[in-house]
Amino acid sequence: GNSVTQMEGPVTLSEEAFLTINCTYTATGYPSLFWYVQYPGEGLQLLLKATKADDKGSNKGFEATYRKETTSFHLEKGSVQVSDSAVYFCALSEASGNTPLVFGKGTRLSVIA
Amino acid sequence: KAGVTQTPRYLIKTRGQQVTLSCSPISGHRSVSWYQQTPGQGLQFLFEYFSETQRNKGNFPGRFSGRQFSNSRSEMNVSTLELGDSALYLCASRPIAGAYNEQFFGPGTRLTVL
Repeated sequence: GNSVTQMEGPVTLSEEAFLTINCTYTATGYPSLFWYVQYPGEGLQLLLKATKADDKGSNKGFEATYRKETTSFHLEKGSVQVSDSAVYFCALSEASGNTPLVFGKGTRLSVIA
Repeated sequence: KAGVTQTPRYLIKTRGQQVTLSCSPISGHRSVSWYQQTPGQGLQFLFEYFSETQRNKGNFPGRFSGRQFSNSRSEMNVSTLELGDSALYLCASRPIAGAYNEQFFGPGTRLTVL
């Protein structure tokens, strides 16, 4: 079945540091890939997505590139801020859209000033 | 446009009781999905409803059930509560089913079973 593996953290960084959160997936065909973010006490918000190989999703300074050859979708940000402290989830959905989202376990990021 | 709303936000129940959680999707959205979030198991899919019909179901026991009304509002019910049912229950909506349709999540209902 489909699955997502991401580094579980927690990850602690100083403000303005570079962020990478690794995500790899197992799926048949060509799934759509997503990064969601969950701030304390809130639900999930879609951060970015990519729907085909070599697509780059980007939003709020975060980027991730859909790498079919390595089945990866790593999240990166060049300079993190304290306000980026949250839990980040990598997820996939089959291209047909007929299956639910499959999530990784989540990575807690803490950014200190 | 109002977001996905879930009620109640917090709930405390005792073992053996039953509970009903409610979700109102974004106006115009016809698909509603439910997820359970726990520290140990992470986010797990419960079920999805579209136009009042269950489209998909996750691997949960029959104590977990749901339904969707004609206005797309959805409820989920858990009967005979167990301690392990303590979790954050998240509802998500999207216009129709399809991978390109972003799922919009509500803030969740925090259920504590004592």
